[in-house]
Amino acid sequence: QKEVEQNSGPLSVPEGAIASLNCTYSDRGSQSFFWYRQYSGKSPELIMSIYSNGDKEDGRFTAQLNKASQYVSLLIRDSQPSDSATYLCAVNDPDYKLSFGAGTTVTVRA
Amino acid sequence: EAGVVQSPRYKIIEKKQPVAFWCNPISGHNTLYWYLQNLGQGPELLIRYENEEAVDDSQLPKDRFSAERLKGVDSTLKIQPAELGDSAVYLCASSFSGKETQYFGPGTRLLVL
Repeated sequence: QKEVEQNSGPLSVPEGAIASLNCTYSDRGSQSFFWYRQYSGKSPELIMSIYSNGDKEDGRFTAQLNKASQYVSLLIRDSQPSDSATYLCAVNDPDYKLSFGAGTTVTVRA
Repeated sequence: EAGVVQSPRYKIIEKKQPVAFWCNPISGHNTLYWYLQNLGQGPELLIRYENEEAVDDSQLPKDRFSAERLKGVDSTLKIQPAELGDSAVYLCASSFSGKETQYFGPGTRLLVL
């Protein structure tokens, strides 16, 4: 079992819609969780971090964490063509080793 | 504030040749990471440094890969000899400490022919 798993995608949404990305992790002791955005040919860029259960909002992005279910999600509201990218879920284990999922590719249709 | 700097950005070599990648982390960041990213996959950690000490190199293929971080700032990752399967993007990242957010450099795209 992979340490971090994401819905495989690709995910295609119309402009203005909500894109929903899911991630599960295997190490119950994990403490910190991140979403990175990666444009094609570019390096990962941090967009959200979350450390406690519940929701965290930053602009059009909302991260949700449920440690009991070992589940992290990212919602992108009012999706824009510029949001078209691969989104990587990353989880720090108790030793602060960051493990990444394979990513979900999102395409926003104009 | 300058970000993580990596060079070269692209490298094409023939198999069995050596290759080296260089990374300069964000100023003040004590922790430096080297990752490998294959197409369609997330980054995978190769080695993590706390200052000049390699604290996690369990995923580094030590028969052909080596790394150093002299003086606890810049770092170099070397492959010798390179194999076809080493074709990938090599990413360097840094953070204030191992517990803090990691910031990535632009990466070096390696093609081994």
